[in-house]
Amino acid sequence: GDSVTQMEGPVTLSEEAFLTINCTYTATGYPSLFWYVQYPGEGLQLLLKATKADDKGSNKGFEATYRKETTSFHLEKGSVQVSDSAVYFCALSTNTGNQFYFGTGTSLTVIP
Amino acid sequence: NAGVTQTPKFQVLKTGQSMTLQCAQDMNHEYMSWYRQDPGMGLRLIHYSVGAGITDQGEVPNGYNVSRSTTEDFPLRLLSAAPSQTSVYFCASTRTGRGTGELFFGEGSRLTVL
Repeated sequence: GDSVTQMEGPVTLSEEAFLTINCTYTATGYPSLFWYVQYPGEGLQLLLKATKADDKGSNKGFEATYRKETTSFHLEKGSVQVSDSAVYFCALSTNTGNQFYFGTGTSLTVIP
Repeated sequence: NAGVTQTPKFQVLKTGQSMTLQCAQDMNHEYMSWYRQDPGMGLRLIHYSVGAGITDQGEVPNGYNVSRSTTEDFPLRLLSAAPSQTSVYFCASTRTGRGTGELFFGEGSRLTVL
């Protein structure tokens, strides 16, 4: 079945460091891919998305490229800030849009 | 600008008690869903609905009931709570379609079953 596997955490980085959180997926057909972010005590909110192969989603300095050949959607940011500390979830949705599948989440802490 | 509203935010139950988690959205979304979030397991889909009168099971439906009598509301019922249902519950909604839309989440309901 469809599924998402993402890098285990927690991840601790110094401010201005480079961030990569790996995400790979298994899906039939052509899913849409998402990164969601969850700040402490809040619900999830969409960070970025890509709906077809080779699309790049970007927002707030974060980027991820939909790679069909490697079934990946890795999240990157060139220079993290303390305010980026949160839990990041990779997710996919099926062609029908009726099912969303989430990874287990990666906790990021950025220290000054 | 309410979006998705969940109540209550916190609840403590004793084993065997029943309760309903409420979820309402004001965005006219056809699709609504319930997830539970547990440490190390991410988000797991409990039930979902693609419109009024239509519901379906997700990955972990046992012990939970849902109904969808209106577009706006999607309550989650625990008929006989068990300690294994201690979790944080999220309601989420989106427009139906090809799956390209984003899910909008409520702030969560933290349930403890003693």
